[in-house]
Amino acid sequence: DTEVTQTPKHLVMGMTNKKSLKCEQHMGHRAMYWYKQKAKKPPELMFVYSYEKLSINESVPSRFSPECPNSSLLNLHLHALQPEDSALYLCASSPNPTINTEAFFGQGTRLTVV
Amino acid sequence: GQQLNQSPQSMFIQEGEDVSMNCTSSSIFNTWLWYKQEPGEGPVLLIALYKAGELTSNGRLTAQFGITRKDSFLNISASIPSDVGIYFCAGQPRGSNYKLTFGKGTLLTVNP
Repeated sequence: DTEVTQTPKHLVMGMTNKKSLKCEQHMGHRAMYWYKQKAKKPPELMFVYSYEKLSINESVPSRFSPECPNSSLLNLHLHALQPEDSALYLCASSPNPTINTEAFFGQGTRLTVV
Repeated sequence: GQQLNQSPQSMFIQEGEDVSMNCTSSSIFNTWLWYKQEPGEGPVLLIALYKAGELTSNGRLTAQFGITRKDSFLNISASIPSDVGIYFCAGQPRGSNYKLTFGKGTLLTVNP
């Protein structure tokens, strides 16, 4: 299994809704990431988990709340989002966070905030 | 922070032509990665480079890690229509655990 799987693929939510994005990998990778990507722009790092602990928070607003229940799963909880938060949200993982950052991406969740 | 200058921004080529794109930085990078992204999908890792001077191929793709550790190029030979997409370089700056810096991407269009 060499995949990073994200669900759902598409999500439309209102500004008062609470929703969660899910990510799963079974490659034994010990670093997992959340990225945000706007159209025709490169991915922007949001959070990094290393060995299931939050290592990096790139000054992301608190309406985005990450969670790493175990070494295979990564969630992103969303609450009170704004329309400008609409984007492609990408999960990624890499084998050894202290040696290299060869990141493998999921197919993303296309989020639309209305 | 470190920035990657990726060029060209876009390319329009005929099927069968070779393609070359590159990334440069003013800082030293420990790792260079090349990704391809198609519409509505996540980036797919094409080639990973870890040593200065390293030259690696993946089918019709060839990439090199520059000797100075401040640049990398990606070549695609004999392009085909399915090569269409945005190609991103990404690198891990020296002294930066976990974090990748991305180039702004090269949009490749291949005319059949």
